[in-house]
Amino acid sequence: SQQGEEDPQALSIQEGENATMNCSYKTSINNLQWYRQNSGRGLVHLILIRSNEREKHSGRLRVTLDTSKKSSSLLITASRAADTASYFCATVGGSNYKLTFGKGTLLTVNP
Amino acid sequence: EAGVTQFPSHSVIEKGQTVTLRCDPISGHDNLYWYRRVMGKEIKFLLHFVKESKQDESGMPNNRFLAERTGGTYSTLKVQPAELEDSGVYFCASSQRGSSSEQYFGPGTRLTVT
Repeated sequence: SQQGEEDPQALSIQEGENATMNCSYKTSINNLQWYRQNSGRGLVHLILIRSNEREKHSGRLRVTLDTSKKSSSLLITASRAADTASYFCATVGGSNYKLTFGKGTLLTVNP
Repeated sequence: EAGVTQFPSHSVIEKGQTVTLRCDPISGHDNLYWYRRVMGKEIKFLLHFVKESKQDESGMPNNRFLAERTGGTYSTLKVQPAELEDSGVYFCASSQRGSSSEQYFGPGTRLTVT
């Protein structure tokens, strides 16, 4: 089964608007993490939310987790052109340490 | 503090040749992971080291891939012989603790097999 499927696959917004990306997964998790990848660069860790947490904030980022629906959302408020990147959610399940990624959401923030 | 580094950043080889990728994790991180992303697909886990021991190598595609982490410091991933379908971006990541901690990724090595 495929974990961490992001929705939408691509999102284009104007600078200053909010961007919301969703992630669904299939099996139980230990935690869920969001990563960003700028074109041609490595993955940058954004935020980690544990299975017993429902919401977490970090700067302009807000992550929610609903384990009953096996879903998470990432909200970026007051977006900037520099936020243009691919965003991935990744899950860690049980005693496994490995991250299981989705295909990502390509966010484009137009100036 | 230096981040995770990977070498080379890009490698182009012919089918049948051998390539060795290197990863230097963040100092003090016992956990080291290899992932790869082939064109159009999601990033997939390859294997996980704890210090010098392979903890989980369930994602290694076949026996053409060999990963080592001598002395529990840097790691190498050798592909021998390389096939066309091995093309993709190979990422290395490290973490200080286990499953509850974030993983820090390197910039990746783009491997092109022609």
